[in-house]
Amino acid sequence: QAVLTQPSSLSASPGASARLTCTLRSGIDVGADRIYWYQQKPGSPPQYLLRYKSDSDWQKGSGVPSRFSGSKDASANAGILLISGLQSEDEADYYCMIWHGSAVVFGGGTKLTVL
Amino acid sequence: QVQLMQSGAEVRQPGASVKVSCKTSGYTFTGYGYYIHWVRQAPGQGLEWMGWINPETGTTRYAEKFQGRVTMTRDASISTADMDLNRLISDDTALYYCARSDYSNSDVVDYWGQGTLVTVSS
Repeated sequence: QAVLTQPSSLSASPGASARLTCTLRSGIDVGADRIYWYQQKPGSPPQYLLRYKSDSDWQKGSGVPSRFSGSKDASANAGILLISGLQSEDEADYYCMIWHGSAVVFGGGTKLTVL
Repeated sequence: QVQLMQSGAEVRQPGASVKVSCKTSGYTFTGYGYYIHWVRQAPGQGLEWMGWINPETGTTRYAEKFQGRVTMTRDASISTADMDLNRLISDDTALYYCARSDYSNSDVVDYWGQGTLVTVSS
């Protein structure tokens, strides 16, 4: 079982909200971890969006619009990236990441289509 | 401004080795808490973390998958990190990124190089 599992694709309409999930493997407690989110557009390296651990421990990257936010679903052991007011420019691949001990793990990524 | 500039594309035959360089600027390369990571992305695939090096101490941590095949080094005098991968196979064809993490910023991997395409083909 992968450490981080993301749905491979998600579609949503312009102006709507998109909820991207990142499920942690059983035995890894989402409550204890910072979840980092990255956006990658074709031909470009990943770009840091935000990190989220709790409502009192989160941070957005420089220049990231306010419509990007993070949260957690403890019942699902998952980190959440919420994008509200979707725009065509949000169409991209999104990756979650955690530090797992001294190693780094990426999720498999979600391709978000805005149509 | 922080920049990570990587060396150019490489083509290698199976069984050979490749070295990718990452020259940094805009910050103190050996500053406390800055690590350089190597992440690769096969064509059409996701991100795969390979390991990190602490430029201050030279300490490394490699992903289990690459243990014994990868070596990460640094030259503090020129603020450059290198990644050597040997015994190449076709599945090593990928875009290789270097990236920086910052302990003082909650270990965010915040800056990335432009990527170096490594093609393994006979």
